Order: sequence, then C-alpha cells, then structure tokens
Amino acid sequence: DAGITQSPRHKVTETGTPVTLRCHQTENHRYMYWYRQDPGHGLRLIHYSYGVKDTDKGEVSDGYSVSRSKTEDFLLTLESATSSQTSVYFCAISESGGINEKLFFGSGTQLSVL
Amino acid sequence: RKEVEQDPGPFNVPEGATVAFNCTYSNSASQSFFWYRQDCRKEPKLLMSVYSSGNEDGRFTAQLNRASQYISLLIRDSKLSDSATYLCVVNEGGYGNKLVFGAGTILRVKS
Repeated sequence: DAGITQSPRHKVTETGTPVTLRCHQTENHRYMYWYRQDPGHGLRLIHYSYGVKDTDKGEVSDGYSVSRSKTEDFLLTLESATSSQTSVYFCAISESGGINEKLFFGSGTQLSVL
Repeated sequence: RKEVEQDPGPFNVPEGATVAFNCTYSNSASQSFFWYRQDCRKEPKLLMSVYSSGNEDGRFTAQLNRASQYISLLIRDSKLSDSATYLCVVNEGGYGNKLVFGAGTILRVKS
C-alpha cells in the first residue's frame, strides 16, 4: 500500500471553528490532492498541489485553504467550519500528474460539523 | 446533467454470476478512463485502466466506447469478495488533469 497517512481519522467540531486536516506521504510523489466524498456524489476535488508551495483550486474550493511547505505534507484548512462541510475527506497522491496517472488514496478523515 | 453517470444499484447477484456495469460521460474530449473499487468505509483503490481496445485482468473486463461515450466493466464468476462500490473515473485532461468521479455502483454478491 502507498505510504499515505491522514490525520485525524475522525473529528467532531462546532460550526465556526477552524479545522486543519493533515496528509503525509512517504512516496515522494509530486502531486497531492484533497477530495471530499458525500452520498450521491462522486469524489469532488477541493484543492491540489503540484509541488512545494504550488497549489491550485478544484471544483469545490470555497471555504477551504491548503498549504504545502514540504513535499511530504499537504494540509487542508477549513477556515470557519459549516455544517455543509460535514463529509469524508480523502487525500490522494500521484507521481507525475499525467493523463494516465493513477491516484493512491489515504484512509480518509470523517469530519462532522455540529 | 452529471459529467459522469452511473447506475447506483445495488446490484444483488449470486456467487458465480456475471455482472456488468455501465458508465456514461459527457465530455467528448475526455482522455483517459479508469475503474476504482471502494470497500465500505475505505478509500478508493484503482481496479483497472480502460483502453479503447478493451482490456482484461483476470475475471474483469473493461471496455470503452468513445463514439457513444460510455465505459463498461464486466465481472465474471463473481466472488463474495467482489462486493464493493465501483467508481467510474474520467480524466478530462487540461490544466491540472481534471479527474471526474462517478458516484459509484454498489455490487453485493451473495452466497
């Protein structure tokens, strides 16, 4: 299995509080991604990174920010959590981002915003 | 209209059955195609890529029809361990290599 660790695995928080999720990889892959998964929807891309300090928005980036200060770590921050951000969050990595590139996913973080 | 559509199922089949899933995509410029498998409360994992010529991996066969913009997955001789959600994934290319995920098809194989 790819060396991807997400933390925390579960988080319960209150509306309006900031939350940071961490993704750590040991594969030295260049690309890292944050997705959210909700019932009835496919995984949706929040943000992605194509290198240290190089990030870009995905289709559902509002209310989220990211940072990547080291190759191995990609942080996702919910600046002020809302109930609509209750979801399962997956981090993924890929080696080069080519069109045939495969994604490897972390185990996910279940976030509940009350 | 969703960009990638799948029948959510569930497909309930007996062990040993053959089952097929289809997936349609809306962007005719899509460049690459995949099936991922996701077990309950687990992360998605790549099952197989899908090529225009069709490809097979053991009991699994994937087909791509670009003209009709659909992808199929055929599972022969179903096993209990095949029970999972199967995600159709399309790479629309372009900047950032946009991957679009279907919502998944649930398969339940019963003894």
